[in-house]
Amino acid sequence: DAKTTQPPSMDCAEGRAANLPCNHSTISGNEYVYWYRQIHSQGPQYIIHGLKNNETNEMASLIITEDRKSSTLILPHATLRDTAVYYCIAYFQDTGRRALTFGSGTRLQVQP
Amino acid sequence: DAGVIQSPRHEVTEMGQEVTLRCKPISGHDYLFWYRQTMMRGLELLIYFNNNVPIDDSGMPEDRFSAKMPNASFSTLKIQPSEPRDSAVYFCASSRSGRGYQETQYFGPGTRLLVL
Repeated sequence: DAKTTQPPSMDCAEGRAANLPCNHSTISGNEYVYWYRQIHSQGPQYIIHGLKNNETNEMASLIITEDRKSSTLILPHATLRDTAVYYCIAYFQDTGRRALTFGSGTRLQVQP
Repeated sequence: DAGVIQSPRHEVTEMGQEVTLRCKPISGHDYLFWYRQTMMRGLELLIYFNNNVPIDDSGMPEDRFSAKMPNASFSTLKIQPSEPRDSAVYFCASSRSGRGYQETQYFGPGTRLLVL
């Protein structure tokens, strides 16, 4: 799996958009970008994933650059409950091997 | 659905004792995963099962660790004998057998293990 690089921490004001970057310059053509988050003391929670097109769901939006070397997770209106560690993971889908490799993630602190 | 269920939620034991962690996956999910989280090593995959069969146990630290899945609705992770360095949060996760979005893993609340 490709290595991903994320900033260790970020702050965001409540109600503002939180933009979390992820670098995955060695990602291969059939590796998806997955995002999970872990709120303190809880298990990781799936947020969104994508291959090359931008994706949006009820939780967030995922913007992937055209060369796929980086992506940004966008929480459009961050709330205090979004304070968590966010993990960007490169993952080979449809291979039969199901192993998520978690890095250090970005600790997002939403400020009131 | 109740989600992935783990028990106990907290476990405190003494070095040398046997510890058994339990997991009930989401009904209908064919994959089950055991992860361990520590400050030093982060979240790491220990083992995963497909249709009750272990597929990859390369993350299991040593012979003191063993995992079983006797049926589709129950799995155990056993540590015998336990050591202080086993102190961690152990997560169980499950996913469906399909492809694409169905590969999303759903995590339980974790078991916090402290070995004294």
